[in-house]
Amino acid sequence: EAQVTQNPRYLITVTGKKLTVTCSQNMNHEYMSWYRQDPGLGLRQIYYSMNVEVTDKGDVPEGYKVSRKEKRNFPLILESPSPNQTSLYFCASSFRTGYEQYFGPGTRLTVT
Amino acid sequence: QKEVEQNSGPLSVPEGAIASLNCTYSDRGSQSFFWYRQYSGKSPELIMSIYSNGDKEDGRFTAQLNKASQYVSLLIRDSQPSDSATYLCAEGLGYGGSQGNLIFGKGTKLSVKP
Repeated sequence: EAQVTQNPRYLITVTGKKLTVTCSQNMNHEYMSWYRQDPGLGLRQIYYSMNVEVTDKGDVPEGYKVSRKEKRNFPLILESPSPNQTSLYFCASSFRTGYEQYFGPGTRLTVT
Repeated sequence: QKEVEQNSGPLSVPEGAIASLNCTYSDRGSQSFFWYRQYSGKSPELIMSIYSNGDKEDGRFTAQLNKASQYVSLLIRDSQPSDSATYLCAEGLGYGGSQGNLIFGKGTKLSVKP
């Protein structure tokens, strides 16, 4: 089944404790992206990657890191999480930029 | 600043009626448009893509694109309570390069009353 997977689905952590949210797609898509979604603010792009080893900042990159060492994986790293990073996070992928994106199931992160 | 504007709603329609959702966009260079459905706490699900002026139909859904007016809409015929969700409009600014990122609207909440 063609899909985007994310892990973990739910995470409660404390301020400053490094964490990684994994994202993987099995559709051989070139483009991958991370979004966060907060009430009233819609989807906001954190980082995106147009292909392996190519990443770039989105609209809200502060406090986040990404890497794209393999085509299928695009992990999101929070080196020192803070409470304002409490949010619902989505990974998405598409064949190429500008085409329809397919979303993972989401990761609900709470930072206390 | 590239923007996609949607009425936040809620839009309330009776079961069996036609729901009409609208979206305007700011960039005349946009080439692709998408409608996503999102249930509360779930991920956005692609329901329609449209690239050319005119109408595109898929089952109970019809997307309409008017590039001259920078307007895209989604019609849902025979609305069902299960259609109650937030509908996100997105535009693609081009193919390839950073300009190809999708720009999402904040969504319109649709409520279908039995």
